[in-house]
Amino acid sequence: QSVLTQPPSVSGAPGQRVTISCTGSSSIIGAGYDVHWYQQLPGTAPKLLIYGNSNRPSGVPDRFSGSKSGTSASLAITGLQAEDEADYYCQSYDSSLSGYVFGTGTKVTVL
Amino acid sequence: DVQLVESGGGLVQPGGSLRLSCAASGFTFSGYEMNWVRQAPGEGLEWVSYIFSSGNTIYYADSVKGRFTISRDNAKNSLYLQMNSLRAEDTAVYYCAREAAGPPYYMDVWGKGTTVTVSS
Repeated sequence: QSVLTQPPSVSGAPGQRVTISCTGSSSIIGAGYDVHWYQQLPGTAPKLLIYGNSNRPSGVPDRFSGSKSGTSASLAITGLQAEDEADYYCQSYDSSLSGYVFGTGTKVTVL
Repeated sequence: DVQLVESGGGLVQPGGSLRLSCAASGFTFSGYEMNWVRQAPGEGLEWVSYIFSSGNTIYYADSVKGRFTISRDNAKNSLYLQMNSLRAEDTAVYYCAREAAGPPYYMDVWGKGTTVTVSS
């Protein structure tokens, strides 16, 4: 059972801005652990999109941005493009489990 | 190129066993912590297990504790997952993932996955 909650789906027209929330407990995000984001295109493996709450790996467009506040985090996609249609997952660390936790996942649809 | 390639998946009956392998290349495998992550059909990602670079620290998700064993052979640049007492709910694509060096804790390189199906 995931302890990081995301909306099941978000959608937007090309060029629009969409945001995905990731809500966790005080023992995870609220405890100071960083949040990371992964993009999973249809039929492929997850790919690191944002690390350390707001950092982009080399090659990730600056249309993608992340933030964290309190017990939640957000991923924003500005200038939405057709190739952004994918599943997105947040991830953090749960010290009580000594392991990683993933969000429930959000499907982004480009209208 | 940095690469992870999983193998060993297949169809197995409930109660059976399977051993997954992950071959690493393009980086110093012995210097990185590694993980297994799985994804059931139509479902989200689930972390399965972690192993320290030297292999002397290991963690498991509660859902697999006591049934799965993670290990590594740094001389062979390989990661393994021994899965015993398999259940239908273990059916998933299993990904091998490299943990980025140092905190914060995230996975920066993923393999393409290998499919495990538990069914009679």
